[in-house]
Amino acid sequence: KAGVTQTPRYLIKTRGQQVTLSCSPISGHRSVSWYQQTPGQGLQFLFEYFSETQRNKGNFPGRFSGRQFSNSRSEMNVSTLELGDSALYLCASSFWAGKDRVEAFFGQGTRLTVV
Amino acid sequence: TQLLEQSPQFLSIQEGENLTVYCNSSSVFSSLQWYRQEPGEGPVLLVTVVTGGEVKKLKRLTFQFGDARKDSSLHITAAQPGDTGLYLCANLRYGGSQGNLIFGKGTKLSVKP
Repeated sequence: KAGVTQTPRYLIKTRGQQVTLSCSPISGHRSVSWYQQTPGQGLQFLFEYFSETQRNKGNFPGRFSGRQFSNSRSEMNVSTLELGDSALYLCASSFWAGKDRVEAFFGQGTRLTVV
Repeated sequence: TQLLEQSPQFLSIQEGENLTVYCNSSSVFSSLQWYRQEPGEGPVLLVTVVTGGEVKKLKRLTFQFGDARKDSSLHITAAQPGDTGLYLCANLRYGGSQGNLIFGKGTKLSVKP
């Protein structure tokens, strides 16, 4: 069974540009979540998509957006990039494994550097 | 918002030593997960604990959930260099979402041969 695939693995962008990251979840998983990981703040929740609908959103500015397609693949977009957006962006696909149990599987992440 | 506090932040030990890392909150957990993240990789789920007082073992790793479900610990026996990584605890935030995890900042473990 293929794992969660994120592309690209590495990206360098200039301030003010925009970027689109892609995530292909595990086959059969309908929930896809995005997280930002930085040394100072750790792993922070960006948003979650389920069946093409955004179900939850973290505390990030509107420059961060996402979408999910009918095949569950998801993209996230960051517009007007700032230096502080440099981070590892992680995607996770998940399913309910029972009461209070969620199995989340993470991709390897996309390392975004803004210069 | 429930905060998860992990300690210690960093831990550097020699191969063969034992260690314990902690995850605490001021609120009650519905459940708690432990992940390990190796450099350049995404986190990998190790275990989920749900019941207060629960103890789970995964080879040399022992996970304990506090009786009051406000704290958890991870004990590693006879650590090996392959145990090196960032250990994260996470709690599922309810609201109908299955993907909204809150993470602690992690314990960065280095095991030297």
